[in-house]
Amino acid sequence: NAGVTQTPKFQVLKTGQSMTLQCAQDMNHNSMYWYRQDPGMGLRLIYYSASEGTTDKGEVPNGYNVSRLNKREFSLRLESAAPSQTSVYFCASSHLLGRAISEQYFGPGTRLTVT
Amino acid sequence: GENVEQHPSTLSVQEGDSAVIKCTYSDSASNYFPWYKQELGKRPQLIIDIRSNVGEKKDQRIAVTLNKTAKHFSLHITETQPEDSAVYFCAAEVTGGGNKLTFGTGTQLKVEL
Repeated sequence: NAGVTQTPKFQVLKTGQSMTLQCAQDMNHNSMYWYRQDPGMGLRLIYYSASEGTTDKGEVPNGYNVSRLNKREFSLRLESAAPSQTSVYFCASSHLLGRAISEQYFGPGTRLTVT
Repeated sequence: GENVEQHPSTLSVQEGDSAVIKCTYSDSASNYFPWYKQELGKRPQLIIDIRSNVGEKKDQRIAVTLNKTAKHFSLHITETQPEDSAVYFCAAEVTGGGNKLTFGTGTQLKVEL
């Protein structure tokens, strides 16, 4: 199993450009997440999808959109990139055990720079 | 919503010593508290977790303690080794559905020879 995969690994954008970060998991997990990681601020939730067909805002959703394409794939789109979106982006997935929350598995991350 | 505070932000210990990282949380209904380790340039990975029906959990050199009354939990690493050097994040369940976590801001642990 590959676990959680993300593409691309690195990306440089100019202000105003758009791009989509791709994430896929092969663990048959029902929940998927997008986080951003900035120095000194930990991991902050951008959007999540508790199950296929649903998406919800997290702590820092402004400037982003998501699509849960199917059970495996969850993409993050930046419509008009801003320098404040320079960050490392992690996708994660987990399996909801009934009503019990469980471990989140992270992808390798995408390092995004907006100039 | 859930708020998680983590201390200290940096911690330096001598090899063989113990390290303790502490977190507090705000939502008394939270029942799940994982700890993640992130090595430089790598993804966060779960090292241990605890649910609210137990007060302590151990796995070899690492242990987590939970005090639900005081709403705090701690990570203990004994006999530290250079490979323990990393950033450690605590997290707490966000109640109300969605299978979500709120993370602390991280502790940079450095184990010196």
